[in-house]
Amino acid sequence: EIVMTQSPATLSVSPGERATLSCRASQSVSSNLAWYQQKPGQAPRLLIYGASTRATGIPARFSGSGSGTEFTLTISSLQSEDFAVYYCQQYNNWLIFTFGPGTKVDIK
Amino acid sequence: QLQLQESGSGLVKPSQTLSLTCAVSGGSISSGGYSWSWIRQPPGKGLEWIGYIYHSGSTYYNPSLKSRVTISVDRSKNQFSLKLSSVTAADTAVYYCARQRNWFDPWGQGTLVTVSS
Repeated sequence: EIVMTQSPATLSVSPGERATLSCRASQSVSSNLAWYQQKPGQAPRLLIYGASTRATGIPARFSGSGSGTEFTLTISSLQSEDFAVYYCQQYNNWLIFTFGPGTKVDIK
Repeated sequence: QLQLQESGSGLVKPSQTLSLTCAVSGGSISSGGYSWSWIRQPPGKGLEWIGYIYHSGSTYYNPSLKSRVTISVDRSKNQFSLKLSSVTAADTAVYYCARQRNWFDPWGQGTLVTVSS
């Protein structure tokens, strides 16, 4: 099983600032990585797939980068609606899909 | 626009079987290139993939749950289902269904299932 880790667990950011979230895989997943945003009481929403491709309707302030074992989600200028929990997910191993534990982005 | 909606019992007794259905609207569950998945999230915790069913009917399950999980599809009703047997309190979670193309999109709104006597 590929284990996903995320850091930091919590990120406190002021509106308008840049947020950088990290995701690490226990072994290479190539570019087979997705990012999701989850707000309280809601289902996760796909933001990024293929490590760097924005899903339909996702604002350009969200960007993803990385390959292999190290990945980054960057929110260039945080808006009020961006405060949420963010999860990464690998799909390199089709026998078991795994998620990271999440990073909570809250208001500083 | 594709939409998914979970339904089923919100309270299950320990040792019994959890049963949920995901109704798909705005598209056909028989569309090639996609699988249909179940994912769960215990209260206050992270996401765990349970398993998926291909449009062909083939299934793949999380090894940690494999002995207790069955996912099936009803093409006539455009829906797919989850059964999880021998449940314990550890199976209490919000259960989501989702369309899968390696990544999961879209998701249903989720349904809370509580295991309690």
